[in-house]
Amino acid sequence: DAGITQSPRHKVTETGTPVTLRCHQTENHRYMYWYRQDPGHGLRLIHYSYGVKDTDKGEVSDGYSVSRSKTEDFLLTLESATSSQTSVYFCAISRLAGGETGELFFGEGSRLTVL
Amino acid sequence: GENVEQHPSTLSVQEGDSAVIKCTYSDSASNYFPWYKQELGKRPQLIIDIRSNVGEKKDQRIAVTLNKTAKHFSLHITETQPEDSAVYFCAASWNTGNQFYFGTGTSLTVIP
Repeated sequence: DAGITQSPRHKVTETGTPVTLRCHQTENHRYMYWYRQDPGHGLRLIHYSYGVKDTDKGEVSDGYSVSRSKTEDFLLTLESATSSQTSVYFCAISRLAGGETGELFFGEGSRLTVL
Repeated sequence: GENVEQHPSTLSVQEGDSAVIKCTYSDSASNYFPWYKQELGKRPQLIIDIRSNVGEKKDQRIAVTLNKTAKHFSLHITETQPEDSAVYFCAASWNTGNQFYFGTGTSLTVIP
């Protein structure tokens, strides 16, 4: 399972509250990603990281921030959750293959409901 | 950024028939094209991928074709079985950015 764990797996929160999702990997991969999955939209990239303290925005980054202080942990924070951020969030790592882009491997997902 | 379009959004086939899902991409720099299968309530999992220096790749009942000139790639599943029922996603990526952009998914139903 590429040693990826997400926490929490399920969370219900109220509008305006801060939320942090954690992604932890055990295989020392350089690239980590946060995606959200919504019906009709597929998987959309929120933020990604290419090393400790090196992060960049994806296509739907508004309202989200990330941090990566250690290789193994990539945190996604919603500073003030809104109902539009109700979604399933997937963390992923990229297994580089000989220096080329490799398989994207996903965690089990975190289902967030914002009331 | 890259834009990946996927068709159809839903597909129903009889068991034993073939299924084809098509994707187009916009960025000519994209050079890696994976396909993911997601069963209900599960994580997406890689089923096959192709790089831009290859035109076709097969793995048992699954094949992927790539037309770089037209910027489209397709997933072909032959002799479909009920366990092939799932949502399938195509994606495009390129080395320097190592970002992956996904299509919106195809819900495949195989009717026994």
